[in-house]
Amino acid sequence: KQEVTQIPAALSVPEGENLVLNCSFTDSAIYNLQWFRQDPGKGLTSLLLIQSSQREQTSGRLNASLDKSSGRSTLYIAASQPGDSATYLCAVPGNTGKLIFGQGTTLQVKP
Amino acid sequence: GAGVSQSPSNKVTEKGKDVELRCDPISGHTALYWYRQSLGQGLEFLIYFQGNSAPDKSGLPSDRFSAERTGGSVSTLTIQRTQQEDSAVYLCASTIRLAGDHEQFFGPGTRLTVL
Repeated sequence: KQEVTQIPAALSVPEGENLVLNCSFTDSAIYNLQWFRQDPGKGLTSLLLIQSSQREQTSGRLNASLDKSSGRSTLYIAASQPGDSATYLCAVPGNTGKLIFGQGTTLQVKP
Repeated sequence: GAGVSQSPSNKVTEKGKDVELRCDPISGHTALYWYRQSLGQGLEFLIYFQGNSAPDKSGLPSDRFSAERTGGSVSTLTIQRTQQEDSAVYLCASTIRLAGDHEQFFGPGTRLTVL
């Protein structure tokens, strides 16, 4: 049974700092991995999707890496801003494509 | 085009009442998923539609929960005889489900409160 874990559960950093969020999964036979952002009281916004054949994906200040063999993904946020404050979730598809989510990392970037 | 939309955005109901939650997926997306996000429970899968068929209902927590999809588009999640433990945010997602492209796009959710 696939399990997804995210650490840390919460993170508070000063503005401008570079940071790394971690995601691990128990079954390395994944099709892809998706990172999401969730603002309080809102739905999920897709940030990056990494296919199993890829090592990393970049979008602006965000860079996500994937190491299937070790069951790990990281989301790197460069030069963090207060607007980056949100909960970040990673997810991998199970059978039928249903997403299996980690518990999320709640990020606070202080001005 | 427009993203995934859900209605209502908020629903407050009394214990024992039935509720219907609606999801409008992105046009052309053949696959539709329902998830539930409960306080302290994280995001849980409920049901998956491919077209109008539901090949995976494994996440529905009880027989009080049902869902349907018509015309390969709009989906309705129905909860009968609501209980307080049904209080959660219900999220819908759609994806095109072509080979190599399974990115799921989520709606804003419906926050259900059962008093």
